Amino acid sequence: QSALTQPASVSGSPGQSITISCTGTSSDVGGYNYVSWYQQHPGKAPKLMIYDVINRPSGVSNRFSGSKSGNTASLTISGLQAEDEADYYCSSYTSTSPLYVFGTGTKVTVL
Amino acid sequence: DVQLVESGGGLVQPGGSLRLSCAASGFTFSTYSMNWVRQAPAKGLEWVSYMSGTSTIKYADSVKGRFTISRDNAKNSLYLQMSSLRAEDTAVYYCARGLRGNYLADAFDIWGQGTMVTVSS
Repeated sequence: QSALTQPASVSGSPGQSITISCTGTSSDVGGYNYVSWYQQHPGKAPKLMIYDVINRPSGVSNRFSGSKSGNTASLTISGLQAEDEADYYCSSYTSTSPLYVFGTGTKVTVL
Repeated sequence: DVQLVESGGGLVQPGGSLRLSCAASGFTFSTYSMNWVRQAPAKGLEWVSYMSGTSTIKYADSVKGRFTISRDNAKNSLYLQMSSLRAEDTAVYYCARGLRGNYLADAFDIWGQGTMVTVSS
């Protein structure tokens, strides 16, 4: 089972919206609504931002939203802020092994 | 506060063993599944192992037969016994809680700060 495919980097100016894609297969992203997204600042532990494709945990800004179409999930950050600069990883439950697969990671830069 | 604290990392020679611990607090540990996730230096996240509160266990193929996950619900602790360690096992190891409790398909809502394991001679 290969890692889910994400763009290596995405950038935007403050206030803009950006979208990060996460492409898998019918055995993971396309087969289940168990896609989650994590934000990781340098030297810190990952933080859950979106679960079950579209749901935000309590305390996560509503500037973060998720969606899915076929084998590709997406994370959109609207009203980009300097504090959003971080690495972002998607993850999906899989029907094979491993139980969970992560994406390759995307570095978000706020210009 | 809900918290996970890992310990036990360090420098170990190839072929050696190490036991990681994860101490949980602030929630009913026995009712949640727990996972180990690792991150090699400057690399992405990799799921390593899962254990439900009712002892269902899963491993990534890369560690199957070498790593053993366990938990002591009375001590609110999760463990990862690592043996036959290889250079490619070098990583920060995080313990992470399953969001929904004892579900196989889940997200990871609480993470520890991580413990570094370095496998080198």
